[in-house]
This record gives sequence, C-alpha cells and structure tokens, in this order.
Amino acid sequence: QLQLQESGPGLVEPSETLSLTCTVSGGSINSYTYYWAWIRQSPGKGLEWIASISYSGIPYYNPSLKSRVAISVDTSANRFSLDLTSVTAADSALYYCAAQGGATRLAWFDPWGQGTLVTVSS
Amino acid sequence: EIVLTQSPGTLSLSPGERATLSCRASQTISSNSLAWYQQKPGQAPRLLIYGASSRATGIPDRFSVSGSGTDFTLTISRLEPEDFAMYYCQQYGNSFTFGGGTNVEIK
Repeated sequence: QLQLQESGPGLVEPSETLSLTCTVSGGSINSYTYYWAWIRQSPGKGLEWIASISYSGIPYYNPSLKSRVAISVDTSANRFSLDLTSVTAADSALYYCAAQGGATRLAWFDPWGQGTLVTVSS
Repeated sequence: EIVLTQSPGTLSLSPGERATLSCRASQTISSNSLAWYQQKPGQAPRLLIYGASSRATGIPDRFSVSGSGTDFTLTISRLEPEDFAMYYCQQYGNSFTFGGGTNVEIK
C-alpha cells in the first residue's frame, strides 16, 4: 500500500526558500504507474495544485507559481522534493504531497500524505 | 483556468438523509475528468470518486455521481455518522483546480 510522508521546516522567514521532501513507501517512485505532486491548502486560497513530476523526472508547474517553484525526484532515496523561493506570508499553508493515479500527467490525487504546516514569518 | 464552484457552501442534514452536492465548472471538463474528495478535520483529503463515476477502493456504494460537461453532482444516498465532513471536487482535464468545498454538517 502506497504511503507518502512530508518533511520540512515548519517555519520559514520571508524572502527565503521553502524546501519540502516527500518520502514514498510501499512502492517505487520509478513506477510508471504514478506521477507525483505537491498541493497546498490555506484558508484564503483553498486547495491549490503546485507542481507535479513524472516518474522520468519531467516537471509540470502551476503557471501562477512557475517562476518560484522547482520539483525534483531522488530515485535513490525514493522521494521527491519541492523548492519554493522568495516566500511571503501568502505561502503559509498546509502542504501535501500526493501520488497521481492513472499513469498520466492529468489524473486524480491518491493517496495523499498527512500534510505539513508551513508558516512564513520572521 | 477552469473555475469550479461548489454549492451549497454548507449542507445541514441528519443521519439517514440524502445529501446532494453540486460542482459547476466554468467550462466543459474534458472526458469527465472530475474527482471528488472527502476531508475530515485534521486529515488529508481522501479520494472518493474519479473519472466522474468510478469509486475509489473501499468507498461504499452510497456515494454516487452524475452529470457531465459543466455540471456534476455527488449524492450520498443515506448519510452515515462518518460521512459528515468537507467535500471537494477537482478537475484534471485541463491542469488541476479544486472547488471551494461543501461542508456537510449534522443538523
């Protein structure tokens, strides 16, 4: 059974870079069955897709965040990561990683990690 | 960007009643590329239905969907105590967007 677990700092200073990692267990991140995604949730913006990456490492980004986001895969550690630069208070949110089913770039999200709360503040 | 509008914002019902949740898209969603999620406080969203009508593993058949194009409905035939939660629709036909959610609360 596929499981995902986010990790990263809970507090980031404004203008700094937010870095999160999602460790995958119960399956290989190399599997062609899945794409891998980051999604965030905040009271102001609701659920917002941030980025996805294919099993072969091809990234896809939300156009509204593309200039500040990078997603990558570490196949040796069975994990994928998110970097969000120049953060502001508006980036404070609960960040989830998730697998995308359907073996295609456009698919539903299942399962999700439990989420990690990130606050941007000095 | 496809905007998804869910209604009502809050649905107050009693256990055993039928719940009808609406998700309307700002443009046609291709190939019925719509999913529904349930989220309880302190938990991540859980996939209920994808491909507009396929239930995820372990999801009981009291959850069903209907609709196509721009208008979709999630129906819970008889509410169980564990069904009171937030529900979100999500489209994946053109990038990804989520609706604002419907809160199904106990009346």
